[in-house]
Amino acid sequence: EIVMTQSPATLSVSPGERATLSCRASQSVSSNLAWYQQKPGQAPRLLIYGASTRATGIPARFSGSGSGTEFTLTISSLQSEDFAVYYCQQYNNWPPLTFGQGTKVEIK
Amino acid sequence: EVQLVESGGGLVQPGGSLRLSCAASGFTFSSYWMSWVRQAPGKGLEWVANIKQDGSEKYYVDSVKGRFTISRDNAKNSLYLQMNSLRAEDTAVYYCARAPTTVVSDFDYWGQGTLVTVSS
Repeated sequence: EIVMTQSPATLSVSPGERATLSCRASQSVSSNLAWYQQKPGQAPRLLIYGASTRATGIPARFSGSGSGTEFTLTISSLQSEDFAVYYCQQYNNWPPLTFGQGTKVEIK
Repeated sequence: EVQLVESGGGLVQPGGSLRLSCAASGFTFSSYWMSWVRQAPGKGLEWVANIKQDGSEKYYVDSVKGRFTISRDNAKNSLYLQMNSLRAEDTAVYYCARAPTTVVSDFDYWGQGTLVTVSS
């Protein structure tokens, strides 16, 4: 099983600032990685797939990078609606499909 | 518009059974892998099971193997999860989710979730 580890667990950021979230895989997942955003009481929303491709309708301030075992989600200028929990997910080696434990982005 | 609507959640005693359903609309259901993903209260996301377009392949996370069964009815555009021998640790919101391509990948559409509570 591929273990996905996200850091930090919580990120405190001021609106307008840049946020950088990390995701590490226990073995290479190539570029088969996705990022999701989840707000309280809502289902997750796909942000990024293929490590760096924005999903339909996702603003350009969200960007993904990395390959192999190290990945980054960057939010260039945080808006109020971006405060949420973010998860990475690998789909290179399965079953099982695995998620990271999440990073909560909170208002500083 | 793609829609996934789960139903069937509720309160069940340990050892009991429950069947979840997911009604799909707005896309050609029979063309996509489908999954169930769950989220325990205050916890992260956990993939539970998936099923190929024609139902010929099914996969499960180890913790539910032998207890849960995923199935689909393409004529009814519906996905199911039969859950037997339920345990307290199965308590979670269960989401159905679609893979956006014809192979297993990420999940581009999710339902709103249905809550399963296993408690005496």
